[in-house]
Amino acid sequence: EVQLVESGGGLVQPGRSMKLSCAASGFTFSNYGMAWVRQAPTKGLEWVATISYDGSSTYYRDSVKGRFTISRDNAKSTLYLQMNSLRSEDTATYYCTRVRRYFDYWGQGVMVTVSS
Amino acid sequence: DIQMTQSPASLSASLGETVSIECLASEDIYNNLAWYQQKPGKSPQLLIYYASSLQDGVPSRFSGSGSGTQYSLKINSLESEDAATYFCLQDSEYPRTFGGGTKLELK
Repeated sequence: EVQLVESGGGLVQPGRSMKLSCAASGFTFSNYGMAWVRQAPTKGLEWVATISYDGSSTYYRDSVKGRFTISRDNAKSTLYLQMNSLRSEDTATYYCTRVRRYFDYWGQGVMVTVSS
Repeated sequence: DIQMTQSPASLSASLGETVSIECLASEDIYNNLAWYQQKPGKSPQLLIYYASSLQDGVPSRFSGSGSGTQYSLKINSLESEDAATYFCLQDSEYPRTFGGGTKLELK
């Protein structure tokens, strides 16, 4: 059974940093691209970033480019999202997803609140 | 960026009815369209990919169709568990973009 478990969220002040992790199990992690998708409270879904199966290619939405970094450790079957210079508009639930072009499996999500 | 315009924003229907939800892309997305169901407090679940392929384990009352810029999700014989918000996603190009969502209420 595919499982994606996010961790690392919480309350953070504007301008500070936070790192999210996603532990994957139930599939061969190194065979799949992975992504982060977020959802602000009571809002729709917004793609954040994608990383290829081997980490050689990454893609970001414009509003996070230069501030967020997606990475992975295939030996640990873990996906990461390093978020720097956080803004109030980054407040959202962040979902880790497996990529097959579309997103086929999603984690339960982790809440990130950016507020002073 | 490809804009995904989803309609209607909300929908109320009775058990047993059939409903359709539409997504209009701002340019041709070549059937690279997925549909998701999200219930309150839960993560989205994949229903349909490549516009019309049913994800394993999804009931056959869900179906997808369309091509080019116009796509639709049809739900036949509504059941109470279908009350949820539905989103479309274009996975043709980066940035990936979602429709605004359709909240389906059961009367």
